[in-house]
Amino acid sequence: GDSVTQMEGPVTLSEEAFLTINCTYTATGYPSLFWYVQYPGEGLQLLLKATKADDKGSNKGFEATYRKETTSFHLEKGSVQVSDSAVYFCALSRSPFRTGGGADGLTFGKGTHLIIQP
Amino acid sequence: DAGVTQSPTHLIKTRGQQVTLRCSPISGHKSVSWYQQVLGQGPQFIFQYYEKEERGRGNFPDRFSARQFPNYSSELNVNALLLGDSALYLCASSLGQVYQETQYFGPGTRLLVL
Repeated sequence: GDSVTQMEGPVTLSEEAFLTINCTYTATGYPSLFWYVQYPGEGLQLLLKATKADDKGSNKGFEATYRKETTSFHLEKGSVQVSDSAVYFCALSRSPFRTGGGADGLTFGKGTHLIIQP
Repeated sequence: DAGVTQSPTHLIKTRGQQVTLRCSPISGHKSVSWYQQVLGQGPQFIFQYYEKEERGRGNFPDRFSARQFPNYSSELNVNALLLGDSALYLCASSLGQVYQETQYFGPGTRLLVL
């Protein structure tokens, strides 16, 4: 079945460091890809998304490019801030054009806890 | 505009009991999905409802059931609770079905089964 694998945390960085959180997926057809963020004490929020190959999603200085050839959607930010400390989830939604049809929910990775130190 | 709301925020039950969780989607959204998030894990998909019909079901036992009402709000029911059902239950709404749509999550209901 479909699955999402993301790097294990916690990931600890200093402020202004470069961030990469790796995410790879297994899915049939052409899934849409998402990064969600969960700040301490808050609910899940969409950070960015990409719906087809080579699309780049971006928001709040974060970027991720949908790479079908490597089945990846790595999250990057050039200069992290303390306020970026949170848990980041990579997720995919199943294409209705896959065999069997139907509509399902999001498939999430296990999450990566990011800690930014001043 | 109000976001997705869920009630109650916290709940404590004992094994064997039944529980009902409630969700109100963002105004205008017709799709509601339910997820279970165990501590330290990513959310797991339970159900999706669109236009009051079940459109998707995850790998959960028949003890889990849900429905969507004419106003698009939704309830998740869990019967015969087990200790392993302790989790954060998240509701998400979207304009249409899940594929390519942004899902907006509520704050969740934290269920503890003793």
